[in-house]
Amino acid sequence: EDQVTQSPEALRLQEGESSSLNCSYTVSGLRGLFWYRQDPGKGPEFLFTLYSAGEEKEKERLKATLTKKESFLHITAPKPEDSATYLCAVRPKGGLRNFNKFYFGSGTKLNVKP
Amino acid sequence: NAGVTQTPKFQVLKTGQSMTLQCAQDMNHEYMSWYRQDPGMGLRLIHYSVGAGITDQGEVPNGYNVSRSTTEDFPLRLLSAAPSQTSVYFCASSSAGVGVEETQYFGPGTRLLVL
Repeated sequence: EDQVTQSPEALRLQEGESSSLNCSYTVSGLRGLFWYRQDPGKGPEFLFTLYSAGEEKEKERLKATLTKKESFLHITAPKPEDSATYLCAVRPKGGLRNFNKFYFGSGTKLNVKP
Repeated sequence: NAGVTQTPKFQVLKTGQSMTLQCAQDMNHEYMSWYRQDPGMGLRLIHYSVGAGITDQGEVPNGYNVSRSTTEDFPLRLLSAAPSQTSVYFCASSSAGVGVEETQYFGPGTRLLVL
């Protein structure tokens, strides 16, 4: 069964204190792994897509990496404005009608204190 | 571009009432989806569509109907609302173009309370 687990559920950091969020996944075949940011009361906002083990992508203070079993979202020297819930999702391989299936984790709520 | 729009923003229903949550996108995306988000459970797929006239069930389809008569619109119907359907509902769309970054664009959500 396709499954996505994120840890920790919540993370409190001081401004400038780097850390990593984890996304473990079980999927029959991975078409893509996606990271999103969600602010309170809003819809998720796309950050990264990763397709194969060893791939890395960066955006400002965020860097996403992918292995065969998990993905990490590294946050370097975070600022208070990075506070949000970060969601991970996988899109399994399959036929055309499965192309639009995404399985989401429950998210990591990040709080960065000044 | 307005992106993905959803109406209403907030709705209160009584048990047994029916309603339609509206979703529209102006990006000419082939794929559209409906999710519900509940505390501690993440986003769960309700129904999805890979094109006009084609819909499929996701993880939690019971109690919901969808149709896709145009590329732009993907309404979600609650036939007989139940308190268990109290949730935040998100609509999303994505493109299937070759070489296009595969991602979903989400609407702002509809908060539904069923009494």
